[in-house]
Amino acid sequence: GAVVSQHPSWVICKSGTSVKIECRSLDFQATTMFWYRQFPKQSLMLMATSNEGSKATYEQGVEKDKFLINHASLTLSTLTVTSAHPEDSSFYICSARDPRSLSSNTEAFFGQGTRLTVV
Amino acid sequence: AQSVTQLGSHVSVSEGALVLLRCNYSSSVPPYLFWYVQYPNQGLQLLLKYTSAATLVKGINGFEAEFKKSETSFHLTKPSAHMSDAAEYFCAVSEGSNTGKLIFGQGTTLQVKP
Repeated sequence: GAVVSQHPSWVICKSGTSVKIECRSLDFQATTMFWYRQFPKQSLMLMATSNEGSKATYEQGVEKDKFLINHASLTLSTLTVTSAHPEDSSFYICSARDPRSLSSNTEAFFGQGTRLTVV
Repeated sequence: AQSVTQLGSHVSVSEGALVLLRCNYSSSVPPYLFWYVQYPNQGLQLLLKYTSAATLVKGINGFEAEFKKSETSFHLTKPSAHMSDAAEYFCAVSEGSNTGKLIFGQGTTLQVKP
């Protein structure tokens, strides 16, 4: 299947600083990527839909000024957590669809996730 | 709106025993349904998917699931558990054809005892 890579795998930052997480589609172009957040021992909650060349679409309750999403190219979407606080500590996962695949309308490929710890 | 409910946040089976993880969905349109597995501190790996074709879907690692519209269920089964099956399992439903956007169930932790 298609490969989606996230970087970094884990990051520790000080409260008040900003952290950028990258999501790359390595062998395909993704016009749409998705960002999820997962708290310990909980499910994944969709945060936003990242659209190449346009503004991201945020889910209800997600602060767009805090979680900045930039989808500047067909292979890269970034999530920046601004002015991070300890409550932002979580596991962030991105996903993307491969439009080349015959099953492109039925499957999303996930990155390996990024563990963010704010101290 | 679509939703997914996984019954049982924690399931424990003995190695070699049947695995049954329950998933019920709610959808106003014909659903696309998925089962994913997640190992600690890793992303999600697709086990199998239902896309309105055969109601019995076979996936990787010996898993399969049956779509039952009358019961709005999509339970995941495996005849014989292996120690390596211990992980977190998520059932998900897509929002129509835009299946990159998924609604996940709460997850079920599968423990396999020797």
